[in-house]
Amino acid sequence: GENVEQHPSTLSVQEGDSAVIKCTYSDSASNYFPWYKQELGKRPQLIIDIRSNVGEKKDQRIAVTLNKTAKHFSLHITETQPEDSAVYFCAIIPRVGGFKTIFGAGTRLFVKA
Amino acid sequence: GAGVSQSPRYKVAKRGQDVALRCDPISGHVSLFWYQQALGQGPEFLTYFQNEAQLDKSGLPSDRFFAERPEGSVSTLKIQRTQQEDSAVYLCASSSAGQRNTEAFFGQGTRLTVV
Repeated sequence: GENVEQHPSTLSVQEGDSAVIKCTYSDSASNYFPWYKQELGKRPQLIIDIRSNVGEKKDQRIAVTLNKTAKHFSLHITETQPEDSAVYFCAIIPRVGGFKTIFGAGTRLFVKA
Repeated sequence: GAGVSQSPRYKVAKRGQDVALRCDPISGHVSLFWYQQALGQGPEFLTYFQNEAQLDKSGLPSDRFFAERPEGSVSTLKIQRTQQEDSAVYLCASSSAGQRNTEAFFGQGTRLTVV
């Protein structure tokens, strides 16, 4: 079935550095790719999403790139701050499979002050 | 309401007990999802409703799990004869449209512990 692989599982960066999280997926027909941030004990919150008709989208310090040929998409956080520390999940909604959203296993990001 | 509300926030159940978890979606949201999130893992899809219709229940792990949304608003996830492996956070999410590429808003979740 469809799946999403997310790397790395843990990422530690110094404040001000950039962080990159990458996901690969198997369903070539997927056309919507959201990223969620989940702080400890809190709900997942959408931080950025991209649709398959564009290759890159940016929102202030956060950007997402999509390579449909290679079936991978990445989250880029620049000028990281301690409040960026959280678990980040990528997700896909496969074209086949109704409305199921498939999440990656998550990346725990630590930003050291 | 202002956001998706779930109750209870925490539930401890003895093995074999039945539990019912409630989700109040954002008012007017057509789509409602249930997910199961084990410790240290991403959410796993359980089931999807569009209004009162349950369109996808492919993620329900066994026939002990049952979900309903009789009036197209509040939803209840019921787990019968709970087992230890059912221990997880159960997340509910809603979105405004019945489309596949619409932002979903999550509730805080119900943390179920089966002892």
